[in-house]
Amino acid sequence: EAGVTQFPSHSVIEKGQTVTLRCDPISGHDNLYWYRRVMGKEIKFLLHFVKESKQDESGMPNNRFLAERTGGTYSTLKVQPAELEDSGVYFCASSQDVPASGYGYTFGSGTRLTVV
Amino acid sequence: QKEVEQNSGPLSVPEGAIASLNCTYSDRGSQSFFWYRQYSGKSPELIMSIYSNGDKEDGRFTAQLNKASQYVSLLIRDSQPSDSATYLCAADTGRRALTFGSGTRLQVQP
Repeated sequence: EAGVTQFPSHSVIEKGQTVTLRCDPISGHDNLYWYRRVMGKEIKFLLHFVKESKQDESGMPNNRFLAERTGGTYSTLKVQPAELEDSGVYFCASSQDVPASGYGYTFGSGTRLTVV
Repeated sequence: QKEVEQNSGPLSVPEGAIASLNCTYSDRGSQSFFWYRQYSGKSPELIMSIYSNGDKEDGRFTAQLNKASQYVSLLIRDSQPSDSATYLCAADTGRRALTFGSGTRLQVQP
């Protein structure tokens, strides 16, 4: 079974440019999450999709960030325009609902974004 | 006050010893708790999840939860050098949005 795939693995862009990150969840996982870790701080939740619908986007920092999940499969996270403070590692995760026994995320390897 | 607090470490233990990692949380609405292991430059990997007060054992790992004290711990028995990593504690209030601690770096000395 393929894991959660993210690309690019690294991206270096200039302030003001646009970057799009992509995440392919594990096949069959309806739940898809975006998290990020900036400047050595803790991993922070950004948003949660259930299939193609945004279940919770309370962690999105501002309107420069736009997430989509076309057809309930892969997801993209666009940052436009990028600012220096957006630098960090962006993680995607997916999960199945497993009643009673709980659930666990499977994380992708992350995209390291550097804004210069 | 951070919502999920962990000692950043490093916690250094000799090979074969028990490593004890601790975590406290502030939101009493937290229902589920998770321990992730993260090797440098890699993605977090789920080790244990716990939802009820008490202990939960899985191989060399034991998770402990005390909701009254808002305390979660992870014990690693017979620690191995390969256990050296950062251990992340995470809590969920049921919204499915995990709140992570900043992680504790564990070093197992051969």
